[in-house]
Amino acid sequence: QKEVEQNSGPLSVPEGAIASLNCTYSDRVSQSFFWYRQYSGKSPELIMSIYSNGDKEDGRFTAQLNKASQYVSLLIRDSQPSDSATYLCAVKTGGSYIPTFGRGTSLIVHP
Amino acid sequence: EADIYQTPRYLVIGTGKKITLECSQTMGHDKMYWYQQDPGMELHLIHYSYGVNSTEKGDLSSESTVSRIRTEHFPLTLESARPSHTSQYLCASTDLAGNTGELFFGEGSRLTVL
Repeated sequence: QKEVEQNSGPLSVPEGAIASLNCTYSDRVSQSFFWYRQYSGKSPELIMSIYSNGDKEDGRFTAQLNKASQYVSLLIRDSQPSDSATYLCAVKTGGSYIPTFGRGTSLIVHP
Repeated sequence: EADIYQTPRYLVIGTGKKITLECSQTMGHDKMYWYQQDPGMELHLIHYSYGVNSTEKGDLSSESTVSRIRTEHFPLTLESARPSHTSQYLCASTDLAGNTGELFFGEGSRLTVL
């Protein structure tokens, strides 16, 4: 059974701080990793994808992948109240067309 | 911006009614998915399709059925709705030509069965 684990939170950070969201996965052959943001009552939207070990930066967002330790993380710098949402981690193996989603971490950025 | 559309966005119906949730995408994606999500809870895959005339059940058992007669259209049907079917239904699609696996989601259909 493929598993993707996330702390459900909520993670509460002050405005301007760095928010760190973590995700671990069980399937060692996983090849593609995604972070989706889901606002309350809305559908998920992709914010980051990462496929190789290391860091990938996009604006205030940095995804970090460590395949040896089987974890992927998302850093949000200069957190804003508008970043308050649930962040879903998703993992996909090369031979599958179906990503496995974690339960999501609720992030609250307070002014 | 993803072009995937779901209708209706909100639906309130009585028990025993037949309903169809529509999902259409204009991106030419071959893979399409239906997820069910209760408020504050995780996504559950209930159906998926790899192309025309291809449909499979997902991880979560569902009394709904789907069809894929056209690439762009992936409707979900409940023959006899019950209160336990009350949930949000999310349609998604992907083009795995590049093997990226990034899903594009529609805005969802929120179903309430009284």
